[in-house]
Amino acid sequence: QVQLVQSGSELKKPGASVKVSCKASGDTLTPYPMNWVRQAPGQGLEWMGWINTKTGNPTYAQDFTGRFVFSLDTSVNTAYLQINSLKADDTAVYYCARDFFTLGSYSHAFDMWGQGTMVTVSS
Amino acid sequence: QSVLTQPPSVSGAPGQRVTISCTGSISNIGADFSVHWYQQFPHKAPKLLIYTNRNRPSGVPDRFSASKSGTSASLAITGLQAEDEAVYYCQSYDSSLGGSVFGGGTKVTVL
Repeated sequence: QVQLVQSGSELKKPGASVKVSCKASGDTLTPYPMNWVRQAPGQGLEWMGWINTKTGNPTYAQDFTGRFVFSLDTSVNTAYLQINSLKADDTAVYYCARDFFTLGSYSHAFDMWGQGTMVTVSS
Repeated sequence: QSVLTQPPSVSGAPGQRVTISCTGSISNIGADFSVHWYQQFPHKAPKLLIYTNRNRPSGVPDRFSASKSGTSASLAITGLQAEDEAVYYCQSYDSSLGGSVFGGGTKVTVL
């Protein structure tokens, strides 16, 4: 069974960094585009951007430039989200989500999601 | 404020039909970019419900249907069931922003 398994909850202090992992099991990470989505407590979904798993090239949404870094380690089928200089506003659940390949192309719908990683930023 | 606008909540009795609107603009839905819909239960990851405007992934009941017209899209749930109580999100691509955008979500309550 194909699934995306994310790392566990994190509690960090403001100014610290965190790295969230998303491991594909039952299938390879490549060639599917991998997206990252944020959900603050009680709020909706925000698309953070995506990483091309064939080239490693990341694309960031406008609100997620500078402190956010997408990366890959294809040898272990894992995508990563690193957030630097953490702020209280970064407190949220972070999801990885795979692009859905259908009818010969990527639809930009997300058919597979990780279980989510709760990142709490608090002093 | 979300680029795609959804009503915060809708409700209906079991067996009824409810619809959720998703209003965009000429840079997203109106530019003929596809609309996708997700269902999310509390403390769970979203689940793809409808892709590319009107298509259901395998396993999604045919009680769920969707359509798109102009700068808007809608999701319909017919024969509403208690298990449909969840938050529903629409998603599309926005050419001005250069990426995916979500609606703010609609909480469906089964009375």
